[in-house]
Amino acid sequence: EPEVTQTPSHQVTQMGQEVILRCVPISNHLYFYWYRQILGQKVEFLVSFYNNEISEKSEIFDDQFSVERPDGSNFTLKIRSTKLEDSAMYFCASSWRPTYEQYFGPGTRLTVT
Amino acid sequence: SQQGEEDPQALSIQEGENATMNCSYKTSINNLQWYRQNSGRGLVHLILIRSNEREKHSGRLRVTLDTSKKSSSLLITASRAADTASYFCATDFLSGTYKYIFGTGTRLKVLA
Repeated sequence: EPEVTQTPSHQVTQMGQEVILRCVPISNHLYFYWYRQILGQKVEFLVSFYNNEISEKSEIFDDQFSVERPDGSNFTLKIRSTKLEDSAMYFCASSWRPTYEQYFGPGTRLTVT
Repeated sequence: SQQGEEDPQALSIQEGENATMNCSYKTSINNLQWYRQNSGRGLVHLILIRSNEREKHSGRLRVTLDTSKKSSSLLITASRAADTASYFCATDFLSGTYKYIFGTGTRLKVLA
């Protein structure tokens, strides 16, 4: 069964460093998303992406965040200058259409020290 | 405003019993999804129910949706220890947004 994959599973970085989180969505899906979950808190929407453009973003997704689909398979989330409060589990998701099921990857645990 | 809120926050049952979790939301939706999350792991999609549907089944799972009450329930029948996890509802918005808003989740513990 197709699944969303994410790498790395765990990333430790120092405050101020740039990180890139990688995702491979399900191959025939057209819509891509990033969510995050701070430990013990709700899953929060960050951004949606379709047709090589951001479709929607939350207030969390400020100028330090960016997304890219550098090739036909990968979808990346870049955090330019990490802060301690960026420590969270970051989930990538994909769907065939926005009104269809969103399938999530296993997540990348980002720890900013 | 909070969109999805699950109730109860925690539920502990014996293996073989049924588990019912509820989700309430505030604004009109197109779709509602239920997910399972094992501790520290990813989100597993369980069921999507659309606003024009009242009930859906998948194996031991039954989801209902009452749009007049803005609520949904997830029933797990004949629970197993492996069902121990957190369960979340996630709702979109009728306005056609691409995002889903997650609730706080119900932590289910199934005792063997």
